[in-house]
Amino acid sequence: GQQVMQIPQYQHVQEGEDFTTYCNSSTTLSNIQWYKQRPGGHPVFLIQLVKSGEVKKQKRLTFQFGEAKKNSSLHITATQTTDVGTYFCARGDSNYQLIWGAGTKLIIKP
Amino acid sequence: DSGVTQTPKHLITATGQRVTLRCSPRSGDLSVYWYQQSLDQGLQFLIQYYNGEERAKGNILERFSAQQFPDLHSELNLSSLELGDSALYFCASSVDWSTDTQYFGPGTRLTVL
Repeated sequence: GQQVMQIPQYQHVQEGEDFTTYCNSSTTLSNIQWYKQRPGGHPVFLIQLVKSGEVKKQKRLTFQFGEAKKNSSLHITATQTTDVGTYFCARGDSNYQLIWGAGTKLIIKP
Repeated sequence: DSGVTQTPKHLITATGQRVTLRCSPRSGDLSVYWYQQSLDQGLQFLIQYYNGEERAKGNILERFSAQQFPDLHSELNLSSLELGDSALYFCASSVDWSTDTQYFGPGTRLTVL
């Protein structure tokens, strides 16, 4: 199946600044899932997006699915130290497998 | 707590050795996945089992094998270990075999010396 490109690989922000990670695909996605992995922890499911143009919010986190269903983004407003970790997107493929992005590591500058 | 358990938490062994990692899925989940995560890297999908049968294979080396038992727990066997096999090994489970939400265990950290 087609890979899903996730950018950036790292993002350094000051606490209180916003953070965004993007996932892009050359083919139409049936769905996209987002996971968070805290340092030293395991990936934890955040959300699944299925519909074109879908926007979902979880407190300071906003998830979007593009109109063409080829891209998705996760935006965090006013980052806090608890947001530190790696955020992964994952897409379903035709073999019903999850294809994972490489992840974006959110680092809060001291 | 995801409900997925993995043992052991840590494993230190020598090159050339063989180890077995164990995973118990969430109650009711039929599908088990194994992933490898090297230091600061992404998740590499190794293999998936569904209700005792191999469902999909990813980038799993021939030295590695897995199985899922009738009680749905799974084991990942790693043999002829090399230094490069040092990594975190995660097990995840989901309700069925499709692109369901996956619930991850805490992982086994394998160190090969």
